Amino acid sequence: GAGVSQSPSNKVTEKGKDVELRCDPISGHTALYWYRQSLGQGLEFLIYFQGNSAPDKSGLPSDRFSAERTGGSVSTLTIQRTQQEDSAVYLCASSSGLAGPYEQYFGPGTRLTVT
Amino acid sequence: AQSVTQLDSQVPVFEEAPVELRCNYSSSVSVYLFWYVQYPNQGLQLLLKYLSGSTLVKGINGFEAEFNKSQTSFHLRKPSVHISDTAEYFCAVSVQGAQKLVFGQGTRLTINP
Repeated sequence: GAGVSQSPSNKVTEKGKDVELRCDPISGHTALYWYRQSLGQGLEFLIYFQGNSAPDKSGLPSDRFSAERTGGSVSTLTIQRTQQEDSAVYLCASSSGLAGPYEQYFGPGTRLTVT
Repeated sequence: AQSVTQLDSQVPVFEEAPVELRCNYSSSVSVYLFWYVQYPNQGLQLLLKYLSGSTLVKGINGFEAEFNKSQTSFHLRKPSVHISDTAEYFCAVSVQGAQKLVFGQGTRLTINP
């Protein structure tokens, strides 16, 4: 079956612009996660959605970052007024079930470059 | 808070040699432990996980790992590596009852012919 998909695969933007990154989880998976992978910080958790519950936003680095999940499926991560330190690969993952730790399936990522 | 330390940033080995990638974690509560692999230009793939029970867990591609609670370690091993094992390997921990993964910095495994 189809895995987690992310779009775009690459995004180059100018400093100060807003960007939106999209994640399509595996069908039927109730949990969705965003992580960021950068040279300086490694792999960092950003945000977690589970069903209709309030998301766990504890990993978002600043209020320029936000995410939503519409209809319990597709998710969009938005970065406003991008900065050069936002350059990274943004990974999305999904998993099934309400109780962990179910396996998280990762997408291929979106490589964001802020110039 | 939990943390994960991968003691080696790079590990070069010859083909068919054994390899051990080291991982130590820090947590005041019980955890679940994972190893993920990232092949060049690809996403993360789960190699194996420890949830409970037997401390020796076997994963895909001939890898195994042993959970050592007293040492707070979860080292990954393979008795004989292949060129195709060249990748970056990440150790991760999640706290029981929580969902997010906390990752180590990764170990780049390079296999030389």
